Parts: sequence; C-alpha cells; structure tokens
Amino acid sequence: DQQVKQNSPSLSVQEGRISILNCDYTNSMFDYFLWYKKYPAEGPTFLISISSIKDKNEDGRFTVFLNKSAKHLSLHIVPSQPGDSAVYFCAPRSYNTDKLIFGTGTRLQVFP
Amino acid sequence: NAGVTQTPKFQVLKTGQSMTLQCAQDMNHNSMYWYRQDPGMGLRLIYYSASEGTTDKGEVPNGYNVSRLNKREFSLRLESAAPSQTSVYFCASSDYREGTQYFGPGTRLLVL
Repeated sequence: DQQVKQNSPSLSVQEGRISILNCDYTNSMFDYFLWYKKYPAEGPTFLISISSIKDKNEDGRFTVFLNKSAKHLSLHIVPSQPGDSAVYFCAPRSYNTDKLIFGTGTRLQVFP
Repeated sequence: NAGVTQTPKFQVLKTGQSMTLQCAQDMNHNSMYWYRQDPGMGLRLIYYSASEGTTDKGEVPNGYNVSRLNKREFSLRLESAAPSQTSVYFCASSDYREGTQYFGPGTRLLVL
C-alpha cells in the first residue's frame, strides 16, 4: 500500500516557464513534508519543506503548497532553469518519528 | 565538514559473497539510516538507528544486518549476497529535532 504517490514519472518544461510537481499521500499522521532533489550518481539533497500547520512555504524560486484536506502537496519552480533537471522526491514524515516515506520520484527535464 | 561519507562507491559481488558497506557522518547526528533505491521504487528504508546502540528494521530488512559502531558510524552488511540486492545504497543521518535527513553519495552494488 503506497502511502506516498508521485503519479507523474516525468515532466518536461521549457526554460523560464513554471514547473509543477505533485505528490499525494494517504496517511493523515504525516505532519512534516520534505522535497529532495537528486542528480544522477549523487545522493538526494534537501530542497524545501513545509509543516502541516502551514499551507505554503517559499524559498527563492521554489514554493511548496500543502492542501491537507485533499492530502496533496505540490512543488512549484519559477522560473525553471536547465540546472533544475533532476529527479524530485516527496518525503513526508509522521508525527513523533524521524523516519521519512519517499515517493517514487518525478524526473524533471528543463529544456532551453 | 565532509557531511555523510560512504565506502565503497561501487562494488561487484558474486552470489553468496558477503560484504559490508560503510557510512560515517561528522554532523553529530543521533539518527542514521540505510536506504536502497531501485528503478521506479523511490528510496526504501532498510534499517535505521535512532541513537548509538539501537537499531530497528525498516521496510525491506531481509538479507541485511547493521551495526551502529559509535555515534559517527553505521554499517550495513550483506551476509550472502543475492542478485535481488543489486541496487544503489544510500546512507543518511539526521538530528531528530530538525528532521531533515542528509544523504551520502551512495554505493552502487552489482550482484552477479
């Protein structure tokens, strides 16, 4: 039973446009949500996070939105750059634990 | 600071051979983790250690053992490697209060 779903395996966006990556979850105990970015042959790196008490968190070109009632979050990248081409993982955490549950990832390609 | 380091970077084993993957962190984190990443599967937790001297099973522990040697080091052992254990293995660490996990560069393992 997949608790975290990233239904789009891949996404292709033109440089300068907006990239929107989506993540759906089923566990209502998740209270903290992280996004990781992964380049080939490297480990995942932390990108941005959001607590369940918020519905939006912004960091430069990256914004994460959380809709708790729909159990849905999204990562917006504006404007997209070729260096953003990577695999993005959604990784929620349950209340009172430090374990993350990773989605299957979305491969973003930003072309000129 | 080196962050999280893993050795080796790449290893080829024959079925039935054993090996130990090494991980060390210099961020004074209490929690450490071992994940495997397979195509289309995201990152799955093998074992984790909430503190020195404690270890617990994750989602896919079968065929693996771990040792939390001290606060810095957390090793993963394959006693009798199988082709199904061909994967990329990532070690991570975190401060429980902060929640963000920091990953090593990964070990690519091929079992023939």
